[in-house]
Amino acid sequence: DGGITQSPKYLFRKEGQNVTLSCEQNLNHDAMYWYRQDPGQGLRLIYYSQIVNDFQKGDIAEGYSVSREKKESFPLTVTSAQKNPTAFYLCASSIGGYQETQYFGPGTRLLVL
Amino acid sequence: GESVGLHLPTLSVQEGDNSIINCAYSNSASDYFIWYKQESGKGPQFIIDIRSNMDKRQGQRVTVLLNKTVKHLSLQIAATQPGDSAVYFCAVTHPAGGGADGLTFGKGTHLIIQP
Repeated sequence: DGGITQSPKYLFRKEGQNVTLSCEQNLNHDAMYWYRQDPGQGLRLIYYSQIVNDFQKGDIAEGYSVSREKKESFPLTVTSAQKNPTAFYLCASSIGGYQETQYFGPGTRLLVL
Repeated sequence: GESVGLHLPTLSVQEGDNSIINCAYSNSASDYFIWYKQESGKGPQFIIDIRSNMDKRQGQRVTVLLNKTVKHLSLQIAATQPGDSAVYFCAVTHPAGGGADGLTFGKGTHLIIQP
């Protein structure tokens, strides 16, 4: 059963804590993306990776970090520098670059304690 | 740059009626357009796409229309069902980005189905 999985579904962060959101895909897609979704707003790009061991900042990368050590995995770390982390985080992947359809995972909702 | 907007944040339709959701974009060089459906608490689901060399594309109960002259995109849903209740948003790409930053998402229209 192919697709994109994200875990956990809900994540709670304490002040000053770093937390990592998992994203895995078995679609053999080269490109992977992280978006943040806030109520009433469109998706905003945090980071993207077109190929293993390479990634670029999106529009709102401050306070976040990523790694792409394997083709199927693109974890996102929300650092303590991100002062407003409460949001719905979505991971996506596509076969190639931006002109390919992006397919999304189920999302992780991050809440601050 | 690129901006993408939807005309209505909420659209209420009667079950069985047709629904039309609109999207406007700003960059005339935009060349690939996608519609997504997002149910509450879930990730967006691909519905249908269209490239700039086409004006219309049909899927199962859905049709996407592209008017490049006025930079307008619409999603038509035939015989709307309760399961169609969701937020719909468009995504637009353009060549200038050259990467993932060339994909811009609209804010979404919440489609509400009245019984």
